[in-house]
Amino acid sequence: QSVLTQPPSFSAAPGQKVTISCSGTTSNIGSNYVSWYRQLPGTAPKLLIYDNNKRPSGIPDRFSGSKSGTSATLGITGLQTGDEADYYCGAWDSSLRAEIFGGGTKLTVL
Amino acid sequence: QITLKESGPTLVKPTQTLTLTCAFSGFSLRIGELSVGWIRQPPGKALEWLALIYWDDDKRYSPSLKNRLAVTKDTSKNQVFLSMTNMGPVDTATYYCAYYNNTYGYFDPWGPGTLVTVSS
Repeated sequence: QSVLTQPPSFSAAPGQKVTISCSGTTSNIGSNYVSWYRQLPGTAPKLLIYDNNKRPSGIPDRFSGSKSGTSATLGITGLQTGDEADYYCGAWDSSLRAEIFGGGTKLTVL
Repeated sequence: QITLKESGPTLVKPTQTLTLTCAFSGFSLRIGELSVGWIRQPPGKALEWLALIYWDDDKRYSPSLKNRLAVTKDTSKNQVFLSMTNMGPVDTATYYCAYYNNTYGYFDPWGPGTLVTVSS
């Protein structure tokens, strides 16, 4: 069981907006930066968001991140079929002294 | 451009020790505040962080696996190594190494990963 909690799956139609939640505690999300990763089938994860809400160069502004208290959210607008993937949140846990990931959310674009 | 690539055995027997190599380019672990991490992913399951090694040779390990893990580096060859003892079937996974940003705590980029199967 992952320390960070994500919904296991989510589905939406092309063009829609989705938000994926990531719930943690004061020792991880509540006191450290959150990052988000996208993993397309058969490939390595790729960084989407870091420092809670910043996009690396090359990541379109359809992707956004936010954090409030001990929860974080990834937003994706203008859904495309190519967005079908697994999405993971990550953060440092100061109590565990460990990097932790969420259980992942499988996004299906219908 | 930073790149990383994992290598090692694709098949190990139960109770054996796994040793993986992460060869990287585009940065040097001689330079301060740079780090490399190891992450694994069993088939169809979530990511699991394993270890970090810092430029100053400081190391961090997953609390649940720390007794079985060892991470080392060869700065002159731009390589990082991960050893995991007493391998079992539950350790079957794709193992990734990745560049770790210490300031914001994220992994980017990742290597392509290497699938390790534990079976007799």
